[in-house]
Parts: sequence; structure tokens; C-alpha cells
Amino acid sequence: DAMVIQNPRYQVTQFGKPVTLSCSQTLNHNVMYWYQQKSSQAPKLLFHYYDKDFNNEADTPDNFQSRRPNTSFCFLDIRSPGLGDAAMYLCATSRGRGTGRPYNEQFFGPGTRLTVL
Amino acid sequence: AQKVTQAQTEISVVEKEDVTLDCVYETRDTTYYLFWYKQPPSGELVFLIRRNSFDEQNEISGRYSWNFQKSTSSFNFTITASQVVDSAVYFCALGGGTSYGKLTFGQGTILTVHP
Repeated sequence: DAMVIQNPRYQVTQFGKPVTLSCSQTLNHNVMYWYQQKSSQAPKLLFHYYDKDFNNEADTPDNFQSRRPNTSFCFLDIRSPGLGDAAMYLCATSRGRGTGRPYNEQFFGPGTRLTVL
Repeated sequence: AQKVTQAQTEISVVEKEDVTLDCVYETRDTTYYLFWYKQPPSGELVFLIRRNSFDEQNEISGRYSWNFQKSTSSFNFTITASQVVDSAVYFCALGGGTSYGKLTFGQGTILTVHP
């Protein structure tokens, strides 16, 4: 089945130790998103890639970076995690405009729960 | 700016009761899309429905139904004969007017269905 995969499902890191979260998709979608979701809150968009074009949300801290080496993979790098970065990180994908199909239905992965000690 | 408001933070019902989750949205876009997602305890956001701004027909899918009222900017979600497996957080979301699918989420409604 086509899907969005996130690894690992659970990640524990130490305060200030860089960490990378991984997302892959078999849907061949143009757009990939990273969301941060803290407990009892709505998902908050950090940034997205439209093909190779990177789009950062205005309020995303510089501590968060992303890479998309190819269509299938996208990585979230947290350079110096703080206690406040503990959260669920959700990856999502959607088709691009002009594909002839609804472009903004997002398909989500299962998430990576990050704990910062 | 876009905004989505889900009036109920938490709802608790007993199995087989009907339950309605409210969603009100604000947007200046003339073309937009509304969504409902379910987030079970496992954490994954599961897509339930998409409705575009041109289509005000209500929709029914099994025990789920959605009522889109453009005049009141509402997109409410009803579960008929609720079941314990319906227990989850439900998010209403709004998208549109951009070249990609950025969504604005409501704060979510925690639904607990007791046996």
C-alpha cells in the first residue's frame, strides 16, 4: 500500500544533542510537510517542500532545519534540542497543483514522538 | 488570515449515543477546502473527509455525516450510534488559496465514548 513512513516512531535525545527524524513516502507526491504537535494542541506547520523548493513558516525557530534529497525522502533536523522541543513530529504529503486531482488533501505518517532529557 | 474554531474541547458520551462536533471557520478566500481528521491514541492523523467551498451538499458515510453551511461558515461532523472505537481527537481543518496544501487546524475535540 502507498503510504507515508516515519522513523523512528520514538526518539529520545539529550538536551542540546542534534537529532534527525526521517520521513519517506511511496505516494510520489510533490509536497512534503513537517508539523510539530505538542500535547493537547493542534499540529503546527514548521515548513514544507514543494518539489525542491523549501518554504519555511515565519515563526519556525532556526533550530529546525529540513532536507529533501529526493522525491521520496524528507528529513527534519533539530540542531540543539531544548526541553520545549519535546513533541510529536508529523510528516505529511500532498499532490501538487495541476495534477488534476485535489491538491491539498494531506496524507499523514504515524509520527515520531521526541523526548528530550 | 484563516481561522478554525472547534467549540467543544472535550465530549464524553455513552456508546450508541449520537454526537455532533462543531467547527466554525473564517477565511477571505473564495475557494477553499474543509477537512476533518481523526487522531486515535496511536498518533496518526487519519483523513475522514474533504469538502470544497462550491459543494454544500451534506455527506453521509456509514455512521459519519457532515453538514456544511456556508451561510454560517460551519462544517459540523456527526457520529451516529457512537462506538468505543470512535474515541479519538478530531480536528477540523481549512485549506485553500495557496499553491500548496497548507492547512489551518482547529484546536481539536477530544471524544470519549464509554461502553
